[in-house]
Amino acid sequence: GESVGLHLPTLSVQEGDNSIINCAYSNSASDYFIWYKQESGKGPQFIIDIRSNMDKRQGQRVTVLLNKTVKHLSLQIAATQPGDSAVYFCAEGRGDTGGGNKLTFGTGTQLKVEL
Amino acid sequence: DSGVTQTPKHLITATGQRVTLRCSPRSGDLSVYWYQQSLDQGLQFLIQYYNGEERAKGNILERFSAQQFPDLHSELNLSSLELGDSALYFCASSVLGGGAGELFFGEGSRLTVL
Repeated sequence: GESVGLHLPTLSVQEGDNSIINCAYSNSASDYFIWYKQESGKGPQFIIDIRSNMDKRQGQRVTVLLNKTVKHLSLQIAATQPGDSAVYFCAEGRGDTGGGNKLTFGTGTQLKVEL
Repeated sequence: DSGVTQTPKHLITATGQRVTLRCSPRSGDLSVYWYQQSLDQGLQFLIQYYNGEERAKGNILERFSAQQFPDLHSELNLSSLELGDSALYFCASSVLGGGAGELFFGEGSRLTVL
């Protein structure tokens, strides 16, 4: 069945360093991929998305890379700040002709920013 | 603040009971999604409604049901509760029904079944 998994459960980085969070997926039929950030006690918050026909997309301090050959997705955070400490989820999604929009989430990576 | 409102924030109940979780989507959003987040299963998609109609179904148990009302708010009904149903239940909303699009999540309803 479909699965989206993360390589590392916990990532610790020094403040100011760049962070790279990885994600492997298995469903090659996905239309898009999304990264979400979830802070303690809050709901997931959208960070950035990328369509399956793209290989790179940049946002503010974040870059998502998609390698469809090896079914790998990564989130790069530049100049990591303490406020970036959270659990990061990758999710893959497919729309359907009926207007359905189903996201499958990975298990999450805990990012810890050390001062 | 995502604009999605969920009530109650916390709920403690006993096995065999029935509860209703409520969600008000962001103003203007037509789609509502329900997700379950537990420690061992992560975020699991349950069901999606778009403008009152069911659009997509995930791993939702038969004991669970949902609906979206004409004013677009949604309710998730959980019945014959079991210990394993203890989890965070998130509602999310989006403008559109299908394809890529940002989902805005509420802060969740934490259900504890004793």
